[in-house]
Amino acid sequence: GPKVLQIPSHQIIDMGQMVTLNCDPVSNHLYFYWYKQILGQQMEFLVNFYNGKVMEKSKLFKDQFSVERPDGSYFTLKIQPTALEDSAVYFCASSSTYANSDYTFGSGTRLLVI
Amino acid sequence: AQSVTQPDARVTVSEGASLQLRCKYSYSATPYLFWYVQYPRQGLQLLLKYYSGDPVVQGVNSFEAEFSKSNSSFHLQKASVHWSDSAVYFCALSIQGGRALIFGTGTTVSVSP
Repeated sequence: GPKVLQIPSHQIIDMGQMVTLNCDPVSNHLYFYWYKQILGQQMEFLVNFYNGKVMEKSKLFKDQFSVERPDGSYFTLKIQPTALEDSAVYFCASSSTYANSDYTFGSGTRLLVI
Repeated sequence: AQSVTQPDARVTVSEGASLQLRCKYSYSATPYLFWYVQYPRQGLQLLLKYYSGDPVVQGVNSFEAEFSKSNSSFHLQKASVHWSDSAVYFCALSIQGGRALIFGTGTTVSVSP
C-alpha cells in the first residue's frame, strides 16, 4: 500500500544544535502529523498541519519546534535548539481529506540528543 | 478532552489461545476508532478501524473488534493467536478526519509456544 517515508532513520545530535526531520507523505494526502514516542511508551500527538498551517498542537509541541512543507516537498519537523528530553522516536503520518481516511504512518526517525 | 484507556499493560497468551485486548474511550459523541500494531523498532500498522455502521469490524490477520457505545469500548479480539502476533497493540481515536489521533498507552502481547 501507500507509504510514508521518513529520512533519516537515525540521527545523533549534540544538545543545543538544530535538527530537521524529514517526511515524504503519501502523494495524495493533505493532512500531515508528527508524533513522539519515548522508548516503551505511547505515541503522543505533537502537531497536525493542513494547507500550509498548523491546525492543532499539543503541549509537547514546544516553542523550539516548528513544522513546514515548502512547495509540496518534504513535511519537516525542526527542533532548534535541541534538548536532552527531545530524544525519542518521531513518527510522521498523513491522511487524505476524506472524513474516513486512514492515517498512514512512517517507520520513524530515532533521534538521540547527547 | 478525548482520551483512550488500555487497562492492560501486558498480556501473555499461549499460541493457539484466544486473545482479547481492552480499550475504553472518553468522548461525548461516537469517535473514529482504530487499532494499530507495532512490531519492535517499526512504525504502526493499521489492523482495523470503525467509523459507523456494523459494530463488529473485521481487520487484517483475523483480528476483529467490537464497538460498544453504551460501554464506550472498542475491544480487539483474535480467536487463535500465532507467535508472530507478539507485538504492542495501540487503540486510538479521532473525533473526525484530519484531526489528531489520540492513542492509548498500548498493550504488549507476548505469545508463548
